Amino acid sequence: AQKITQTQPGMFVQEKEAVTLDCTYDTSDPSYGLFWYKQPSSGEMIFLIYQGSYDQQNATEGRYSLNFQKARKSANLVISASQLGDSAMYFCAMREEWDDKIIFGKGTRLHILP
Amino acid sequence: EAQVTQNPRYLITVTGKKLTVTCSQNMNHEYMSWYRQDPGLGLRQIYYSMNVEVTDKGDVPEGYKVSRKEKRNFPLILESPSPNQTSLYFCASSPQDRSYSPLHFGNGTRLTVT
Repeated sequence: AQKITQTQPGMFVQEKEAVTLDCTYDTSDPSYGLFWYKQPSSGEMIFLIYQGSYDQQNATEGRYSLNFQKARKSANLVISASQLGDSAMYFCAMREEWDDKIIFGKGTRLHILP
Repeated sequence: EAQVTQNPRYLITVTGKKLTVTCSQNMNHEYMSWYRQDPGLGLRQIYYSMNVEVTDKGDVPEGYKVSRKEKRNFPLILESPSPNQTSLYFCASSPQDRSYSPLHFGNGTRLTVT
C-alpha cells in the first residue's frame, strides 16, 4: 500500500493567491516526521518544512505552513501569497521512528501564473 | 560549507558497462541513502545505510550495489547498467536521530543508459 499519497499531479494558481498542496499518509508508528521538499526546474531538492507527529502546533516557516490533521492522516502544505518563484515540483515525505526507510510521494507540479 | 557532493552530474553510458556514482558528505551524518527519480513515480529509495558497514535495501534495489566503508562516502554501483536504469539519482544524508531529521540532498546525477 502506498504510504504517501499526493493526489494532485499538477496545479495552476494565480500569483499572490494562497495554495494548498495535499498529502495523506499511512502509518501505524505513533512517532513519525513529515517533510515537504521543493524541486525547482534546476533539479535540486530543497527542504521546506517539518512536522512531528507529537507536535501540538502546526509548523510554519515564513510563507510555508503545514496543515496537520493527525486523525485524518493528512499533512497539507500551504503557501501563502504565491510568487512566480514558487513554480516547482513539491514532494511530501515521511520518516517513521522505527523504520529506517524514508518514503516520498509522487509529487505535485505547481505552476504559478502571472 | 555543509554539503552532499555527488559526481558526476551527468553520465551517458552503454548497456553493461559498469559504473560508479560517488557520494560524499561533510556533516558527519550517520544516515545516507540513494534515491532515483522518474516522471510520475516520485523518489524511490534504492539503498540506505544507518552507519559504516551497515546497508539495507530500499524499495527498488535490483541492479544496484552500495558500500559504506567510511562514514562520509556512500557510492552507488551499477555492475551492468540497463536502459531501465536511466534516471535522475540523488544521494542524501541526515543525522541518525530517527523521525525528525530532514534529508540533505546532493545535486543529483542524471544517468542515461543506451
